[in-house]
Amino acid sequence: GAVVSQHPSWVICKSGTSVKIECRSLDFQATTMFWYRQFPKQSLMLMATSNEGSKATYEQGVEKDKFLINHASLTLSTLTVTSAHPEDSSFYICSASGGITGANVLTFGAGSRLTVL
Amino acid sequence: AQSVTQLGSHVSVSEGALVLLRCNYSSSVPPYLFWYVQYPNQGLQLLLKYTTGATLVKGINGFEAEFKKSETSFHLTKPSAHMSDAAEYFCAVTIGNEKLTFGTGTRLTIIP
Repeated sequence: GAVVSQHPSWVICKSGTSVKIECRSLDFQATTMFWYRQFPKQSLMLMATSNEGSKATYEQGVEKDKFLINHASLTLSTLTVTSAHPEDSSFYICSASGGITGANVLTFGAGSRLTVL
Repeated sequence: AQSVTQLGSHVSVSEGALVLLRCNYSSSVPPYLFWYVQYPNQGLQLLLKYTTGATLVKGINGFEAEFKKSETSFHLTKPSAHMSDAAEYFCAVTIGNEKLTFGTGTRLTIIP
């Protein structure tokens, strides 16, 4: 149990286009999901907290209009990188709380690697 | 605010040798501490966690960690390294609100 699926696992797009990444909790309901960004050989930086049915809470320095987050259901959160540019290229990872792993334990997706040309 | 410091961005050990990955934390309230492992181009997998209770926690794949409040440490150990242990390891802390703060990671290399 407690599986989080991310799609796509990798995506290449042209500069100026928008890319949507999905994060699904497959076997549990996740009222809260988190989106992280990871640069090569660096740690994970929390971008935003996604709450089902309400607006996401963004961390300081993260552009809300650039990184649109929608948590429309208890099993799905989406991250849309709008008007992507090469500097947005990164590894994006989502996580969800809940499931059988217990309180305060997050289940992570496998990540989505975005390359903007 | 809480923070985590991982000493050593790269650690190399011989196969069969002891693995020791260091993690020190800073928190104004009792922390919850975690170790995660990340294989190339993959997400994070939980190795073990400390919330309350026993300070020595055992995790998957033979790893364990000990919470030492006096030293503000949560070092990860494994008695005998295996080739499959080669990966990136992250220590993380939270004060209970599920917003994890990660360390910068330690890349573990296993020498045959």
